[in-house]
Amino acid sequence: SQQGEEDPQALSIQEGENATMNCSYKTSINNLQWYRQNSGRGLVHLILIRSNEREKHSGRLRVTLDTSKKSSSLLITASRAADTASYFCATVQGGYQKVTFGTGTKLQVIP
Amino acid sequence: DAGITQSPRHKVTETGTPVTLRCHQTENHRYMYWYRQDPGHGLRLIHYSYGVKDTDKGEVSDGYSVSRSKTEDFLLTLESATSSQTSVYFCAISEPRDGGFPLHFGNGTRLTVT
Repeated sequence: SQQGEEDPQALSIQEGENATMNCSYKTSINNLQWYRQNSGRGLVHLILIRSNEREKHSGRLRVTLDTSKKSSSLLITASRAADTASYFCATVQGGYQKVTFGTGTKLQVIP
Repeated sequence: DAGITQSPRHKVTETGTPVTLRCHQTENHRYMYWYRQDPGHGLRLIHYSYGVKDTDKGEVSDGYSVSRSKTEDFLLTLESATSSQTSVYFCAISEPRDGGFPLHFGNGTRLTVT
């Protein structure tokens, strides 16, 4: 079974609203990352949070990590139509940097 | 796209035939990964490599083998393709930098097994 699962599977919001996506994982991690994918293209790295960090910001992105609950959330503030994409969390584990992905959240931002 | 080339970009093959997908990088990154992407499953790790000749299995490695004889190339082989291996395959590379470890992805290979 997959390391990570995301929730919700799909999310539809109006432009200007905030979007929150959640990720749960199963085993201990080195760090957790979030990626974005547009229409079946390759994924693009958005942000990384280390296992000893609790919150991180980058532009309109805010990521939190709760290692006791094995969960993370990604908040996109003031969403834009261009944010429409699928978002995936990825966990990095072990000394050999095994990277596994969640099932993804499909975000639609309506203009 | 971070110097990663996947070939072929599209392939149609018949059940039972061997298939090799190639991932080539020009970034000299140590880590390379093969994923498959299917609707409802996100990306699932097939195999990964942490150096030349150093590889390990991922979540869905059955039916797949890999080889990495030099830093720049990571080959994924389906020994005897099955219809369940119809998927989009992505290669990714990475190198630890300044405490980060971002993966850079290729554009994918769409494989259809008939």
